[in-house]
Amino acid sequence: EAGVAQSPRYKIIEKRQSVAFWCNPISGHATLYWYQQILGQGPKLLIQFQNNGVVDDSQLPKDRFSAERLKGVDSTLKIQPAKLEDSAVYLCASSLLRGQGVGEKLFFGSGTQLSVL
Amino acid sequence: QKEVEQDPGPLSVPEGAIVSLNCTYSNSAFQYFMWYRQYSRKGPELLMYTYSSGNKEDGRFTAQVDKSSKYISLFIRDSQPSDSATYLCAVGSSNTGKLIFGQGTTLQVKP
Repeated sequence: EAGVAQSPRYKIIEKRQSVAFWCNPISGHATLYWYQQILGQGPKLLIQFQNNGVVDDSQLPKDRFSAERLKGVDSTLKIQPAKLEDSAVYLCASSLLRGQGVGEKLFFGSGTQLSVL
Repeated sequence: QKEVEQDPGPLSVPEGAIVSLNCTYSNSAFQYFMWYRQYSRKGPELLMYTYSSGNKEDGRFTAQVDKSSKYISLFIRDSQPSDSATYLCAVGSSNTGKLIFGQGTTLQVKP
């Protein structure tokens, strides 16, 4: 079974630039998540999609972050403009069941490591 | 007060040792308790899952939940160098629909 695919693996940008990350979840997984993991911290949920609808985006800084899930499959996360504090690993995860995510097994991609200079 | 607290370590043990990893949480409504393992430059992978209280064993790994103390533990027996990773606890409740991760404990098992 193919895992969650993310690209790029690394990205270095200057502050105030824009950046986009891409995620392809496991085939058939209805729920897709974007997490932010700052060095030395646990993952923090940014946004959760079920199919192509948003379930939870309460922790997404909407003034600079946006995300979409195309046709309920692939997803992109964008930051514009980036700040120094956005330096982190951005993890995409998917889950099979059509619940709210709690109690479901999450399958994570390897993440995109973003450095904002 | 953080909802989930975890000692970041690092924790260094010799091969074959028994490892104890712990988390405390603040909200008694949490029902789901998980342990994820994260290797360097990889995403987390689910290691153990417990619903409500009690113990769960899988090979060399045992997860314990003590809801009265709001304390969860992961024990690793006969630790191996391949167990060297960051271990993240995660808690959640169906009421909030949210899964909250601890900051992770970095474990190094020396041959």
